[in-house]
Amino acid sequence: DTGVSQNPRHKITKRGQNVTFRCDPISEHNRLYWYRQTLGQGPEFLTYFQNEAQLEKSRLLSDRFSAERPKGSFSTLEIQRTEQGDSAMYLCASSLVRGILVNTEAFFGQGTRLTVV
Amino acid sequence: GENVEQHPSTLSVQEGDSAVIKCTYSDSASNYFPWYKQELGKRPQLIIDIRSNVGEKKDQRIAVTLNKTAKHFSLHITETQPEDSAVYFCAASVGANSKLTFGKGITLSVRP
Repeated sequence: DTGVSQNPRHKITKRGQNVTFRCDPISEHNRLYWYRQTLGQGPEFLTYFQNEAQLEKSRLLSDRFSAERPKGSFSTLEIQRTEQGDSAMYLCASSLVRGILVNTEAFFGQGTRLTVV
Repeated sequence: GENVEQHPSTLSVQEGDSAVIKCTYSDSASNYFPWYKQELGKRPQLIIDIRSNVGEKKDQRIAVTLNKTAKHFSLHITETQPEDSAVYFCAASVGANSKLTFGKGITLSVRP
């Protein structure tokens, strides 16, 4: 499968614990996005990277959330001291941007479903 | 910031009929409008998109129209089939590769 890959697919954790999710984008895609989706809602933007640089962070991304893309390939999203309100589907997407001529759509992964109990 | 609204939240049509889903947006700077289809338990998948320099785009049974003055865009599905049943999200962004602001989604049910 050459699509966007996310691991784990499901994560159940106790309130107060830290969790980390991983996203492997489509090979050669230089942009990587994180979104959060709760039941009955559309995906909400969290942050995105151009290669290893984090270009924008949403106000939704509190101090407990941190995302990295150290080598410009895979990315991790960490949530510290999880709260029940963090329960959601965390979606990763990637795209390729090279000037004006090369500009792909955002391809989504299947997400990591987090349940905080 | 951008606000994208979708109404209604559910739509039921008879197989073979047409379905129209409408969205409005608030930021006049938005110039890219994709539509994503999400089946239960699966990833959102792009089905069609439109940029602000065109008013309509078609791809087989699917079309999207854009009215920049009124800040709304619509998805049209003709000859609906049961496999079209899913949640459809509209979105908007400034630039095709910027963050997307999604609507809440509409659940389309196609009755056989």
